[in-house]
Amino acid sequence: GENVEQHPSTLSVQEGDSAVIKCTYSDSASNYFPWYKQELGKRPQLIIDIRSNVGEKKDQRIAVTLNKTAKHFSLHITETQPEDSAVYFCAASKDYKLSFGAGTTVTVRA
Amino acid sequence: GAGVSQTPSNKVTEKGKYVELRCDPISGHTALYWYRQSLGQGPEFLIYFQGTGAADDSGLPNDRFFAVRPEGSVSTLKIQRTERGDSAVYLCASSLDRGPGNTIYFGEGSWLTVV
Repeated sequence: GENVEQHPSTLSVQEGDSAVIKCTYSDSASNYFPWYKQELGKRPQLIIDIRSNVGEKKDQRIAVTLNKTAKHFSLHITETQPEDSAVYFCAASKDYKLSFGAGTTVTVRA
Repeated sequence: GAGVSQTPSNKVTEKGKYVELRCDPISGHTALYWYRQSLGQGPEFLIYFQGTGAADDSGLPNDRFFAVRPEGSVSTLKIQRTERGDSAVYLCASSLDRGPGNTIYFGEGSWLTVV
């Protein structure tokens, strides 16, 4: 089955700086890569996703890049704000089943 | 409804007891999923329904776990003879249809604690 690895497990950044989270996947057939944000005790919420026919996607301060050859994808958050503090999960899928990474706890220091 | 709804939000049960967790998906969504999330981990796939049928139950850990979706809407996850290792957040999710083009929306989860 699909194996998704996510790094780093924790990330502390100064407000206004950028945050980068990286994920690798094992199944070359995976073609959909969503990112979810989860605040403590809350549901995972989709923040951005990318499909395998696209190399990069941006939505305001959030961007995702995909390298299919290397089988890795990354989340970039620019101009971080305190409300960006949360756990972020990457995932990979080739059909209906999402395989998640272990998560990155992002703390934005004011 | 506006989102995926799950009940109960919290459940504490004694080892060996039976529990049911309910999920009400977003109206009109044909695909429904159950995931389990342990502390400090990402969600892990349990089962997927397309309509009324369980299309993939390969993630269910053992035969103590069972799920139904009799009318193609509400689903119930059933756990028999609960064990302390079953303690986790059980997340339900739904999407309009199956496949990578369909956003999967999660509920708030049911926090199960087995004591």
